[in-house]
Amino acid sequence: SQQGEEDPQALSIQEGENATMNCSYKTSINNLQWYRQNSGRGLVHLILIRSNEREKHSGRLRVTLDTSKKSSSLLITASRAADTASYFCATDRRFGAGTRLTVKP
Amino acid sequence: GAGVSQSPSNKVTEKGKDVELRCDPISGHTALYWYRQRLGQGLEFLIYFQGNSAPDKSGLPSDRFSAERTGESVSTLTIQRTQQEDSAVYLCASSFSPDGQGGSPLHFGNGTRLTVT
Repeated sequence: SQQGEEDPQALSIQEGENATMNCSYKTSINNLQWYRQNSGRGLVHLILIRSNEREKHSGRLRVTLDTSKKSSSLLITASRAADTASYFCATDRRFGAGTRLTVKP
Repeated sequence: GAGVSQSPSNKVTEKGKDVELRCDPISGHTALYWYRQRLGQGLEFLIYFQGNSAPDKSGLPSDRFSAERTGESVSTLTIQRTQQEDSAVYLCASSFSPDGQGGSPLHFGNGTRLTVT
């Protein structure tokens, strides 16, 4: 069963634009994690935000968490073609269906 | 240091045959996870091992699926009497501590692509 649900399912933007992906979950959490997947193989951990945190930054990534709404967002600023990938949120070892991001050069 | 290693990377099998997939976690990682990912879809949780505790098998789709792990070492996922709908990439991950507590990130292998003909 899935815990998180990402929105949108697919997103296409131009290089330089910002990309925002959202994640909703169902139960209370200790933390929420975002991962990236290229080419349908192994996932790479991007960022972890704990339930007592509201916002976290890592380079061009910004993650927010709203526990009252059971939702999180991942913002990628100044996107690059190399950011093209699928992005997943995860809580309690369950992953959502992911957002497929395409960044056009 | 080595990452999570999975073998084989690709496996083609005939319907009805049994298959065994292997995962070598990162040394020192106490938690190990198996996921299934069908083409174009998200990760479907299968099973979770944490140290010597009883595994969380709640994601196994049928009794044809089983997994073992001895201590904090290698894990094998076995699929008996394979069906075409078992075709997918099977991903293994390990983490230093249980998720939901310390919040350690999962480190993934590159997966085994299983094709059942």
